[in-house]
Amino acid sequence: DAGVIQSPRHEVTEMGQEVTLRCKPISGHNSLFWYRQTMMRGLELLIYFNNNVPIDDSGMPEDRFSAKMPNASFSTLKIQPSEPRDSAVYFCASGPTTSSYNEQFFGPGTRLTVL
Amino acid sequence: GESVGLHLPTLSVQEGDNSIINCAYSNSASDYFIWYKQESGKGPQFIIDIRSNMDKRQGQRVTVLLNKTVKHLSLQIAATQPGDSAVYFCAETSSGSARQLTFGSGTQLTVLP
Repeated sequence: DAGVIQSPRHEVTEMGQEVTLRCKPISGHNSLFWYRQTMMRGLELLIYFNNNVPIDDSGMPEDRFSAKMPNASFSTLKIQPSEPRDSAVYFCASGPTTSSYNEQFFGPGTRLTVL
Repeated sequence: GESVGLHLPTLSVQEGDNSIINCAYSNSASDYFIWYKQESGKGPQFIIDIRSNMDKRQGQRVTVLLNKTVKHLSLQIAATQPGDSAVYFCAETSSGSARQLTFGSGTQLTVLP
């Protein structure tokens, strides 16, 4: 298996622009997690899905952030409009299930820079 | 002045020595723990896990110890190698959290030649 796939790997954009980050989880995994990592705050959970349904989005910073999972093999995290403080590395992770003792497998991340 | 950003604990060890990385957790309901390794520019990578009904688990060159009494977790790396240089995170979860992982702030391990 190729593991969790994220695209793009790097994104540089200007303040006010829309940014869309993409994730393909490991086939067969039914839970998907979006994290943000910064030097200031470390690794933060933004939102997670189980069987394509958002379960907890309490970590999403504000309404500018939205996430979707239209099917079991694809998820997006969108920031509109983007701001410089959104600059971070965004990780997607997937796992077999949220109801048992299972690790999460992380993608390589998308490094976002908002100028 | 006031410091900004996370102050990552750092650990420097000589190549070939053993490393011990520590982690404290606060949730007494946590029943599953994972150690992740994150190399520069990469995502966290699973190393080893342990359930709360165990106090020790061994993998290849790594051992995790769990002390539930004092809510302490440690990762021991035997014969540390240059490729072990990375940031190490502990993560905890409980059935009550729907298996969301809570990550520690991480420890930077540097292996000296």
